[in-house]
Amino acid sequence: GAGVSQSPRYKVAKRGQDVALRCDPISGHVSLFWYQQALGQGPEFLTYFQNEAQLDKSGLPSDRFFAERPEGSVSTLKIQRTQQEDSAVYLCASSLGAEKVGYTFGSGTRLTVV
Amino acid sequence: GNSVTQMEGPVTLSEEAFLTINCTYTATGYPSLFWYVQYPGEGLQLLLKATKADDKGSNKGFEATYRKETTSFHLEKGSVQVSDSAVYFCALSGAEGAGSYQLTFGKGTKLSVIP
Repeated sequence: GAGVSQSPRYKVAKRGQDVALRCDPISGHVSLFWYQQALGQGPEFLTYFQNEAQLDKSGLPSDRFFAERPEGSVSTLKIQRTQQEDSAVYLCASSLGAEKVGYTFGSGTRLTVV
Repeated sequence: GNSVTQMEGPVTLSEEAFLTINCTYTATGYPSLFWYVQYPGEGLQLLLKATKADDKGSNKGFEATYRKETTSFHLEKGSVQVSDSAVYFCALSGAEGAGSYQLTFGKGTKLSVIP
């Protein structure tokens, strides 16, 4: 597609619920990144895929967070047993290679845990 | 580790005023530096970048110069417009290893331009 598409745009979850956030990167983009942006803060790195391989998951805040990209295209970020501190905007970005410039960000999914 | 500090907002300016948003960084080696802009309801967009010392990035009337001696990358625009109202983020990526693909962001500065 023309840009990085994320769905849903908004998600309200009850505490303890599992959620799945989807990212459709730009077609042909090898690298895919997830960032978490808390209210009033800058985005923070969560995880990085090169094709289907998850090369870095050092930013995932706990083992309740899990990301996958099984066919090297669409990616899903799953959060199990959501907590209030998980409330944030989750941003996905893709790039053609692993280069540090040329990220294209999606509009994000705003997750609110009540 | 890498870090970015940018001036806190919000910043409110009248149309045609001069804009400066300060940004300083801490990083080993020679990072690449970026300014991203986030308009209401939209994703982050790359505004400009600089990849080595003394480089000047520019776009849409905005400029920033990579100053290694002061570890700074201040954003400037000579005459702001109402349409520039947005949140601006300074960011860096490191020279090697995990830092080379991770972006480290500042907290963002909200700019409001009034007619």
